Amino acid sequence: GAVVSQHPSWVICKSGTSVKIECRSLDFQATTMFWYRQFPKQSLMLMATSNEGSKATYEQGVEKDKFLINHASLTLSTLTVTSAHPEDSSFYICSARGPSRNTIYFGEGSWLTVV
Amino acid sequence: SQQGEEDPQALSIQEGENATMNCSYKTSINNLQWYRQNSGRGLVHLILIRSNEREKHSGRLRVTLDTSKKSSSLLITASRAADTASYFCATDLYNFNKFYFGSGTKLNVKP
Repeated sequence: GAVVSQHPSWVICKSGTSVKIECRSLDFQATTMFWYRQFPKQSLMLMATSNEGSKATYEQGVEKDKFLINHASLTLSTLTVTSAHPEDSSFYICSARGPSRNTIYFGEGSWLTVV
Repeated sequence: SQQGEEDPQALSIQEGENATMNCSYKTSINNLQWYRQNSGRGLVHLILIRSNEREKHSGRLRVTLDTSKKSSSLLITASRAADTASYFCATDLYNFNKFYFGSGTKLNVKP
């Protein structure tokens, strides 16, 4: 079945540095990918919708200059957290809309800790 | 949450009992999906119900959808300790390229 791979699973970075998280659709082309952030014991908050070949659409309140999203190919979207701060520490998870538009495939998520 | 609320926020039951979780949402949808998440882990897709469907079953799961009330429910019958997890509804607005999650219900099934 369709699989979405997210990498890295865990990352620790220092305050002020940038960190990149990758989301790949392994056996299908994904024109649309979604990025979410989840704080402990909370729900998943949609940060942005990533469309191949165009700019991402950010949800209200999400800083697009801080969370850079690139969807350069039909199988890869990246989220870069720039100038990371401890409050950016969270669980980030991506998903991709499959060939059947009703189907959404999720990556396993990435834990980011900023120290 | 961005799209809607779930209730209860937390539910604690004994093994063998049924668990019902409710989800309300704000806008018209194309479909609604239920997911399960174990603590600190990824999501497991449970069931999808389209906007023109009213009820769907999958094993011990039963999902209903009332588009007039913008609400859905998930029933887990004969619960097991292994069902302990957080459950989220998610609304798919593929015409607008959005996929939002509800606030979630934390289910604890006691052995």
